[in-house]
Amino acid sequence: ETGVTQTPRHLVMGMTNKKSLKCEQHLGHNAMYWYKQSAKKPLELMFVYSLEERVENNSVPSRFSPECPNSSHLFLHLHTLQPEDSALYLCASSQSRESNQPQHFGDGTRLSIL
Amino acid sequence: AQSVTQLDSHVSVSEGTPVLLRCNYSSSYSPSLFWYVQHPNKGLQLLLKYTSAATLVKGINGFEAEFKKSETSFHLTKPSAHMSDAAEYFCVVSEGGNKLVFGAGTILRVKS
Repeated sequence: ETGVTQTPRHLVMGMTNKKSLKCEQHLGHNAMYWYKQSAKKPLELMFVYSLEERVENNSVPSRFSPECPNSSHLFLHLHTLQPEDSALYLCASSQSRESNQPQHFGDGTRLSIL
Repeated sequence: AQSVTQLDSHVSVSEGTPVLLRCNYSSSYSPSLFWYVQHPNKGLQLLLKYTSAATLVKGINGFEAEFKKSETSFHLTKPSAHMSDAAEYFCVVSEGGNKLVFGAGTILRVKS
């Protein structure tokens, strides 16, 4: 599946660093999503963007800051993270936010906080 | 609120034998249901989807699932397991606004 590309694939950072995760979709979709996948826990929806407008923020701490400059790109800016933020961060996109529209996922960024 | 229960956290089968991964859902209206697969160090790949058309849904790689409203189930099956099917499988229900609710996942092991 190359429709949704995430970079970097792996990231190790200290708690005081600032970094950004990037997601790009080549499917012409209008909605994009950030998920967090931690060990032993179901996937958690973090943010939803529709037509570049944030429409959902699932009580995510402010140390995570999303940005959607256009319908093809989505960023997750990280600062002052905690060890419990270590996880796989997945980006997804869908044609629209209709419930019957499947989401297409990237391969994720594996984030480790030292 | 909608929810998904995957009844087995681990399933082990021999290569060439049938696969059954069980999923029950809770929904207040006619749901959209999906099965995704995740191989190690990869994202989630869509296997199949149910969106209120035919109750028997065929997906990729020989997988299929049957929507049974009376049992609130959406079990995933495959007639003959292949080594490459070893992965984690997620049953997912879509809420309004395409918010996905994921099951806890079932790890499928395929023995040679």
